[in-house]
Amino acid sequence: SQQGEEDPQALSIQEGENATMNCSYKTSINNLQWYRQNSGRGLVHLILIRSNEREKHSGRLRVTLDTSKKSSSLLITASRAADTASYFCATGRYKLSFGAGTTVTVRA
Amino acid sequence: NAGVTQTPKFQVLKTGQSMTLQCAQDMNHEYMSWYRQDPGMGLRLIHYSVGAGITDQGEVPNGYNVSRSTTEDFPLRLLSAAPSQTSVYFCASSGQANTGELFFGEGSRLTVL
Repeated sequence: SQQGEEDPQALSIQEGENATMNCSYKTSINNLQWYRQNSGRGLVHLILIRSNEREKHSGRLRVTLDTSKKSSSLLITASRAADTASYFCATGRYKLSFGAGTTVTVRA
Repeated sequence: NAGVTQTPKFQVLKTGQSMTLQCAQDMNHEYMSWYRQDPGMGLRLIHYSVGAGITDQGEVPNGYNVSRSTTEDFPLRLLSAAPSQTSVYFCASSGQANTGELFFGEGSRLTVL
């Protein structure tokens, strides 16, 4: 069964706007990862946040983690057309479990 | 480095046929895994391996076999293909099995008629 679930399922924004998506998970975690998948391609790792971290940045990405609510959010600032992709959160050790993903469309 | 290489990229099978999806990585990663991706369901783990000679089941292992005779290769075998196995299959590897990021191949799209 899926450990993480992303919300919303789909998101459409204008270029330059920010995109925020959320991930909820069910059991305690050691870390949580976010991945991006461009259409027809494999997944690419974006960022990993450990359970003792509350916020992490990487370029235009900002990830937060609230272990008390069992949730995480991914913010993409100043979005570009190239950010059009599906985004997945993943949790687990050895058996990494993925959610169904958020599909983000960035309109020019 | 090529990373994770999957072959074939596309395959059409008839029900009952068998085939092997190949996966190779050149990063000397101990951990390798196979996922299937179906619309609206994200990725589901089929089998994984933490090193040569060691494999274990994931969430949806039925109908699939794996072996790990070398660090580099982790083939996935479909014993008797069924239409329910129509999916996109991804192989992934990691240098840190219990915490690290996964490196994915480009996927193998399988259709079973």
